[in-house]
Amino acid sequence: DQQVKQNSPSLSVQEGRISILNCDYTNSMFDYFLWYKKYPAEGPTFLISISSIKDKNEDGRFTVFLNKSAKHLSLHIVPSQPGDSAVYFCAASGRNAGNMLTFGGGTRLMVKP
Amino acid sequence: KAGVTQTPRYLIKTRGQQVTLSCSPISGHRSVSWYQQTPGQGLQFLFEYFSETQRNKGNFPGRFSGRQFSNSRSEMNVSTLELGDSALYLCASSGTAGSYEQYFGPGTRLTVT
Repeated sequence: DQQVKQNSPSLSVQEGRISILNCDYTNSMFDYFLWYKKYPAEGPTFLISISSIKDKNEDGRFTVFLNKSAKHLSLHIVPSQPGDSAVYFCAASGRNAGNMLTFGGGTRLMVKP
Repeated sequence: KAGVTQTPRYLIKTRGQQVTLSCSPISGHRSVSWYQQTPGQGLQFLFEYFSETQRNKGNFPGRFSGRQFSNSRSEMNVSTLELGDSALYLCASSGTAGSYEQYFGPGTRLTVT
């Protein structure tokens, strides 16, 4: 069973507008969440993370929101730029899982100029 | 600082053969994790090594094994290759055992024919 799900396989956004990528999880033991960006033929690049003790974390144009009761997190990119076009993965880890990350299936973001 | 390096980048093997992939983590990082990425299963955790000890193992058959050396470099081995082992194999390193942020290498693309 998929413990981390990204239900939108793709998202298209106009340059300058907001991109919102969503992620849902089922495992209550997850307490740390991360977003990665991946370009073709490259490994994932770490973007931003959030601990379960917080509900928001911001880093420049990227903000991650966590709703623990709904087991839902989202990544907001404002403003979106064409260079943001990539596949975005959310990932989760638990306190006793060491560095094991459980990944969602990814969302392909296309930012149109 | 140099990033995570993986060798080789591309590999073609025949069913039944074995293969060894290599990963050099970021200097000073002691944790190395391996992931398999396929179109059907997405990014899946294989195993994690910290200070030469396997700390976590994913749900993969025993044909998949790994090790870590005293300089933190890691290798993973797949024996008796099957067509389904064709995938992108990603290595990630992190600085400490409790640090969830992992930094990925570019991956090794393995094709089994």
